[in-house]
Amino acid sequence: TQLLEQSPQFLSIQEGENLTVYCNSSSVFSSLQWYRQEPGEGPVLLVTVVTGGEVKKLKRLTFQFGDARKDSSLHITAAQPGDTGLYLCAGTSGTYKYIFGTGTRLKVLA
Amino acid sequence: SQTIHQWPATLVQPVGSPLSLECTVEGTSNPNLYWYRQAAGRGLQLLFYSVGIGQISSEVPQNLSASRPQDRQFILSSKKLLLSDSGFYLCAWSVGGEVTEAFFGQGTRLTVV
Repeated sequence: TQLLEQSPQFLSIQEGENLTVYCNSSSVFSSLQWYRQEPGEGPVLLVTVVTGGEVKKLKRLTFQFGDARKDSSLHITAAQPGDTGLYLCAGTSGTYKYIFGTGTRLKVLA
Repeated sequence: SQTIHQWPATLVQPVGSPLSLECTVEGTSNPNLYWYRQAAGRGLQLLFYSVGIGQISSEVPQNLSASRPQDRQFILSSKKLLLSDSGFYLCAWSVGGEVTEAFFGQGTRLTVV
């Protein structure tokens, strides 16, 4: 069974601080996505990474796919209250299924 | 552009009653379709996925079933709801024949009382 473990599970930080969220698995994924979800809404796609070692930047967010394509990280620089939400990673591995991570709930305090 | 519609947004049903949640996708053909359930503040559990009309794959044994009567319509059903069926249900689609990004509906909050 493929599993994606995210850490930390909860994170509460002050505005302006930096943070990193990790997504780890013992399985290899052909691609990995990061989503952000607001309460009562569906997840919204942030980025997809497909190549081992790939780094993508989206404004203050930096995403990295591990060299072995088993893990990924999301780094937020100078966090803002608008970054508050549930962050989810999801992996695919040659089937039509998306395996979702356990989620990281981020709260950024003004 | 593609859009996904999921309804209703909230639903309160008594134990033992039937369930029907509907999801439709516009602006694409032959999408892969998915039903997920999410516990509060946690990750998503895949319930069913479909790669074509009438093709349903079930991921976990449960009190629910899914059907795909039309190319862009995906329905989640139950004949008799249990208290444990309460949760946040999400429909999603991805491009058919590929495994790229998944796009989600707004979700349905189901409370079984």
